[in-house]
Amino acid sequence: QKEVEQDPGPLSVPEGAIVSLNCTYSNSAFQYFMWYRQYSRKGPELLMYTYSSGNKEDGRFTAQVDKSSKYISLFIRDSQPSDSATYLCAMSHASGGSYIPTFGRGTSLIVHP
Amino acid sequence: DGGITQSPKYLFRKEGQNVTLSCEQNLNHDAMYWYRQDPGQGLRLIYYSQIVNDFQKGDIAEGYSVSREKKESFPLTVTSAQKNPTAFYLCASSIAAGGSEQYFGPGTRLTVT
Repeated sequence: QKEVEQDPGPLSVPEGAIVSLNCTYSNSAFQYFMWYRQYSRKGPELLMYTYSSGNKEDGRFTAQVDKSSKYISLFIRDSQPSDSATYLCAMSHASGGSYIPTFGRGTSLIVHP
Repeated sequence: DGGITQSPKYLFRKEGQNVTLSCEQNLNHDAMYWYRQDPGQGLRLIYYSQIVNDFQKGDIAEGYSVSREKKESFPLTVTSAQKNPTAFYLCASSIAAGGSEQYFGPGTRLTVT
């Protein structure tokens, strides 16, 4: 079992839909949780960064962490075709003085007009 | 503009040749990282460096080498010992070794034939 599991998709939704992207993990030591957006043939871009449990909102994006269930989510409201990309979750904890993140494999999202 | 630059964007080499990928950052970040991304596999850590003149192996260091002579620069050499070098290579940096928020460069696509 991988430490971080993420459904690769693709997830196809109509423009304006609410999108839910999810990751599960097995290591209860993870404390920091990130979501990255990666367009085709580009580097990942940090979208959201959360410490421990709870919700964090930034514009149309909401990140949610449920440590008791070892489950994190990214919600995108009013999705746009420009949101079509691969979304990577990542999480980390202190290990030997560093916090190297472990990445999920990414979910491909397609928002069609 | 602050950021991470990787060059070149596309690189072609013959099998048996060593090749060096460039990564430069002007974010004044202490830590730098190299990842390899293959389709459906997510990001895999090759090497990372927390300070100048020091670096550690990641999960897939075999066939790769790095140096960190300057804070701004972290070049990666793909040696002929790397059995399957064709991939998308991503460089990242973070404010400190304890900083989980990584910022990525645009990537270099290496093709070895």
